[in-house]
Order: sequence, then structure tokens, then C-alpha cells
Amino acid sequence: AQKVTQTQTSISVVEKTTVTMDCVYETRDSSYFLFWYKQTASGEIVFLIRQDSYKKENATVGHYSLNFQKPKSSIGLIITATQIEDSAVYFCAMRENSNNRIFFGDGTQLVVKP
Amino acid sequence: EAAVTQSPRNKVTVTGGNVTLSCRQTNSHNYMYWYRQDTGHGLRLIHYSYGAGNLQIGDVPDGYKATRTTQEDFFLLLELASPSQTSLYFCASSDRGSDYTFGSGTRLLVI
Repeated sequence: AQKVTQTQTSISVVEKTTVTMDCVYETRDSSYFLFWYKQTASGEIVFLIRQDSYKKENATVGHYSLNFQKPKSSIGLIITATQIEDSAVYFCAMRENSNNRIFFGDGTQLVVKP
Repeated sequence: EAAVTQSPRNKVTVTGGNVTLSCRQTNSHNYMYWYRQDTGHGLRLIHYSYGAGNLQIGDVPDGYKATRTTQEDFFLLLELASPSQTSLYFCASSDRGSDYTFGSGTRLLVI
């Protein structure tokens, strides 16, 4: 069964606006970790931001923030003041505390236009 | 700077050929992973390892072997390459509970 689902295949926004990418996950663990990664056009995959399941406060790093809705098993990524260089594929991922592998969603392609 | 280095960056081989993809990490991480990425499938886990000499089977292991010779080095072996194994391969490392550090990827073409 798919453990991490990103329903948005592609999103297009205008530069300097805010975008939200959706992600829902499935787990029976009471403790887990949620991640967002960015894959650039060159293929490089970089870690962006993380939310631990026991933390109530939404994580924020630079112009990335998360909307963690635990009852809905949802972890949205919010990018404010988007820039052209934010154009990339964004992967949502989850790691359960009971094991050390990360499950990835299929990714959302973000295009930021001038 | 801690890193994950994959080699080669690109590889072309013929059907039935032998291929070894190499991955070295300088993060002192215990865990290492091999993924393949294909359009429409995202990142799929092939094999992973908890430490030198350890091997765990991932979600798409058929046609692949892997070996973790040291804490730093993790190899992916395709002994009879097939066109269906044409893909972009990523290696990653992590500590328990932490995020992954990815290598730059190896693009493999099997003709």
C-alpha cells in the first residue's frame, strides 16, 4: 500500500506568490518523521525541511514552512515568495520510528514563472 | 564536507552485461540505500544496509545484488543487465532517525 501520496502532479505559479503542495501519509506508528526534498533540474536531491510527529509546532526553514495536520495525516509544504529557482520536483517522505527506511511520494513538479 | 559520491555518473551497457555502481559516503552514517528513479514511479528502494556486511531487501530487488564492504562503501550489482533496468540510480546515507543525504545519481542505459 502506498504510504505517502502526493496528488498534485504539477503546479504552476507566478513568481513572488505563495504555493502549497499537498501530501498525505499512512502509518500505524505513533512516532514518525516527515520530510520534504527538492530535486533540481540537474537531478540533485536535497533535503529541505523536517517535521517530527510529536512536535505540535509547524517547522519553518527560510521561506519553506510546513502545515502539519496530524488528525488528517497531512503534511503540506508551503513556499512563500516563490522564486524562479524554486522550480523543481518536490518529494514528500515519511520515516517510521520502527524502521530506518524512508517512503517517498511520487513528487510534485513546481514551475515558477516570471 | 560530508558527502555521498556515486560513480560512474553515466553508464551504457549491453543487454546481458555486468554493471557495478559504486557509492561512497563520508558522513559516518550507518545506513545506506540504493534507489532507482523512473518517470511515473518516483523513488523506489532496491536494497539497503545497516552496516558493513549487512544487506536488506527493498521493494524492487529483482535483478539486483548489493554488497556493503565497509561502512563507507555500498555497491549495486547488475549481473545480467536488461533494458528494463535503464534508469537513474541514487545512493543515499543516513543515521537512525535522520534525513537522507543523496548522491548525485548514476544514469544507466542498457541497450
